[in-house]
Amino acid sequence: DSGVTQTPKHLITATGQRVTLRCSPRSGDLSVYWYQQSLDQGLQFLIQYYNGEERAKGNILERFSAQQFPDLHSELNLSSLELGDSALYFCASSVGPSGGAYEQYFGPGTRLTVT
Amino acid sequence: EDKVVQSPLSLVVHEGDTVTLNCSYEVTNFRSLLWYKQEKKAPTFLFMLTSSGIEKKSGRLSSILDKKELFSILNITATQTGDSAVYLCAGGSQGNLIFGKGTKLSVKP
Repeated sequence: DSGVTQTPKHLITATGQRVTLRCSPRSGDLSVYWYQQSLDQGLQFLIQYYNGEERAKGNILERFSAQQFPDLHSELNLSSLELGDSALYFCASSVGPSGGAYEQYFGPGTRLTVT
Repeated sequence: EDKVVQSPLSLVVHEGDTVTLNCSYEVTNFRSLLWYKQEKKAPTFLFMLTSSGIEKKSGRLSSILDKKELFSILNITATQTGDSAVYLCAGGSQGNLIFGKGTKLSVKP
């Protein structure tokens, strides 16, 4: 158990809908990262927040957005969902602000299925 | 464009064998090389390497980084069925991690 928690574990929804994924980082970690894992693309970095501020952005679609709250938990919002958004969404956390300089610990993931 | 390439893509061995997994990287503003183990769930952190030529060890697993050749290897000795998993390598830049597609290791009894 990495100490990173994510809810829900599974989510099934229809195309065009909007969902919110939630993540709580390990105690003491200030950075939260969101990743998408699909069979053909592997693990893709979406976005990072550090202490409430957006720190780095990957190939995140405009239909996706995220935020980190004062208690450091983070939410990833996915809207106008398409079939291709079906994937595993992981949250990771680290103590420091630089994604490549600190160990990142992954949560159990949320499996999103869009029908 | 940043990229991380792992080889082989899959590997089947028998218990007791020693395996070497390869990872090459081209990452702008490179900071670190990380290895993770993924068994149908979340990637589990194994190693983080930042200095060239210094081996990191944890039990039967070890890893080393060559920053001149932009290469890292992960060795697993005396493999066990519990080592069966996908092993992910990631290059750490200033902003984030760039992951390879992984090596799927299957250890047969």
